[in-house]
Amino acid sequence: DAGVIQSPRHEVTEMGQEVTLRCKPISGHDYLFWYRQTMMRGLELLIYFNNNVPIDDSGMPEDRFSAKMPNASFSTLKIQPSEPRDSAVYFCASSPPSRGDTGELFFGEGSRLTVL
Amino acid sequence: AQSVTQLGSHVSVSEGALVLLRCNYSSSVPPYLFWYVQYPNQGLQLLLKYTSAATLVKGINGFEAEFKKSETSFHLTKPSAHMSDAAEYFCAVSEGNFNKFYFGSGTKLNVKP
Repeated sequence: DAGVIQSPRHEVTEMGQEVTLRCKPISGHDYLFWYRQTMMRGLELLIYFNNNVPIDDSGMPEDRFSAKMPNASFSTLKIQPSEPRDSAVYFCASSPPSRGDTGELFFGEGSRLTVL
Repeated sequence: AQSVTQLGSHVSVSEGALVLLRCNYSSSVPPYLFWYVQYPNQGLQLLLKYTSAATLVKGINGFEAEFKKSETSFHLTKPSAHMSDAAEYFCAVSEGNFNKFYFGSGTKLNVKP
């Protein structure tokens, strides 16, 4: 089965440009998470969705960041305008319905963003 | 509030030696605890999880972890390290609402030949 698919794997852009990161979760998973990983701050949860609805976006750094999930098989994380401090690896993860059990996260391979 | 502390950002062991990666947590309710592994340029993969069943949890690749409530710890061990175990390991806690995971800062394991 295909895992979580993220694109692009690498993105280099200049400060001020718009960046869009994409994610396709595993089919049947109804939770989707966006994480950011940096050396300084480790893994940070940015936002997560349940059944395409944003549940908690308290980790989104500022208004320059936005995330959408228009359907069950696609999500985007957008940064506009981008800044050098946004440079990081952005991970998308999905999780199946809990059915009373704890879930586990299935991670994509990440999108490495470099803002010059 | 929940938090996870991983002692030692880097651990180095010889091949065949015991691996011990430390994780302590704080949680106001019984937690769910996880260990994830990240290989270079890859996403995280679940190694094992504790969900209030047996306190000694066995995972993939010969790893296991023991939940000790009195010590608020969930240390990861493997009796004999293999070169392929070199990776970064993350401890994580989820408190009831399993959809919010709090990750530790990670421990990079180096295995020397």
